[in-house]
Amino acid sequence: NAGVTQTPKFQVLKTGQSMTLQCAQDMNHEYMSWYRQDPGMGLRLIHYSVGAGITDQGEVPNGYNVSRSTTEDFPLRLLSAAPSQTSVYFCASSKVGGRGYTFGSGTRLTVV
Amino acid sequence: AQRVTQPEKLLSVFKGAPVELKCNYSYSGSPELFWYVQYSRQRLQLLLRHISRESIKGFTADLNKGETSFHLKKPFAQEEDSAMYYCALSGGNQFYFGTGTSLTVIP
Repeated sequence: NAGVTQTPKFQVLKTGQSMTLQCAQDMNHEYMSWYRQDPGMGLRLIHYSVGAGITDQGEVPNGYNVSRSTTEDFPLRLLSAAPSQTSVYFCASSKVGGRGYTFGSGTRLTVV
Repeated sequence: AQRVTQPEKLLSVFKGAPVELKCNYSYSGSPELFWYVQYSRQRLQLLLRHISRESIKGFTADLNKGETSFHLKKPFAQEEDSAMYYCALSGGNQFYFGTGTSLTVIP
């Protein structure tokens, strides 16, 4: 039981490049979400999903896409990276109506 | 509308002193409240849930519905308590996090 696994742990991108941050969970959690963590801003919700095939926008969705083809995986795509997307990204999952999130270890992304 | 407010960005206390991290919330229904802790460069970990009414690492938190607060308390702070603490609210299909309080325990 690995919990929530995020890859990569670190990434440096050039402005305009695209990439996908991977997130997988093996707890059969329906609910998955992506947050970005910035100094002084706390955690801000980017996108979330309540089940396979269902996604919705959070507080700061612009510049990011998601899909949820399986219960286990919830990748986050940056189509054209910008320096403003430099941040630490956390994936989290829980049971719907559940008892709190389980977080991944984070991806530290730098866009130059 | 902001759902969770943590008024203190930074909090410093001396080792052995009591500590209280404040959290206020606004939500029209019956939310579930949580405290998460993040040690330096690590993932967030669930510290407390208001439903369980448990004490973890000496921390407790009581939900005050009248004041819409869920303050985190510990009677005697330890150096290992230095971390970032987030209050969170679960309502509907979303979690709402506060902006966090960075606690430093001075030896």
